[in-house]
Amino acid sequence: EVQLVQSRAEVKKPGESLKISCKGSGYSFTSYWIAWVRQMPGKGPEWMGNIYPGDSDTRYSPSFQGQVTLSVDKSISTAYLQWSGLRASDTAMYYCARRDTSNFLEWFDVWGQGTLVTVSS
Amino acid sequence: AIQMTQSPSSLSASVGDRVTITCRASQGIRNDLGWYQQKPGKAPKLLIFGASSLQSGVPSRFSGSGSGRDFTLTISSLQPEDSATYYCLQDYNSYTFGQGTKLEIK
Repeated sequence: EVQLVQSRAEVKKPGESLKISCKGSGYSFTSYWIAWVRQMPGKGPEWMGNIYPGDSDTRYSPSFQGQVTLSVDKSISTAYLQWSGLRASDTAMYYCARRDTSNFLEWFDVWGQGTLVTVSS
Repeated sequence: AIQMTQSPSSLSASVGDRVTITCRASQGIRNDLGWYQQKPGKAPKLLIFGASSLQSGVPSRFSGSGSGRDFTLTISSLQPEDSATYYCLQDYNSYTFGQGTKLEIK
């Protein structure tokens, strides 16, 4: 079964650092881009960025460039999303998703279960 | 950045009804659009990609159409399990989600 399994919920204080993970299984992890998507409470999803596990090529949304870092450890089929200094406004559910493509089309077909990040003093 | 405007923001319909949700892009995006269903506490689920291609395993009552700026998601005969929020997502230039349509079953 193709799946992405994300790390557990986190509760952090403002200014703290955090790294959450997304582990792929059931497919060739290095052959598909992984996207990260933020969903703030009661709001719609927002694309944060993509990373290609094969060579760590990374694309960021301008809204998130410089605010977060995407990385990957392909030896353990895991992608990461990290913050160096959390803010209360980072409180949200974060999803990873697999990007698939065919015939010049693309889509996010497999999603992780989400990691809830709560930032509060 | 490309903006996606979805309508309506919410709707209520009865089992068996035909339901239509629309999405308009701020510029032409060819057919680079997908539709996703999200139920409370769950991740989004892909329904349609390439504006009109049904994802494997998705019931055939879901269909998508459109090209350029205007797109439609249609549920031909609404079922109780279709209660969810639906989002369009353009992937023509970067990625932008619509603001969502919350569908309630009467």
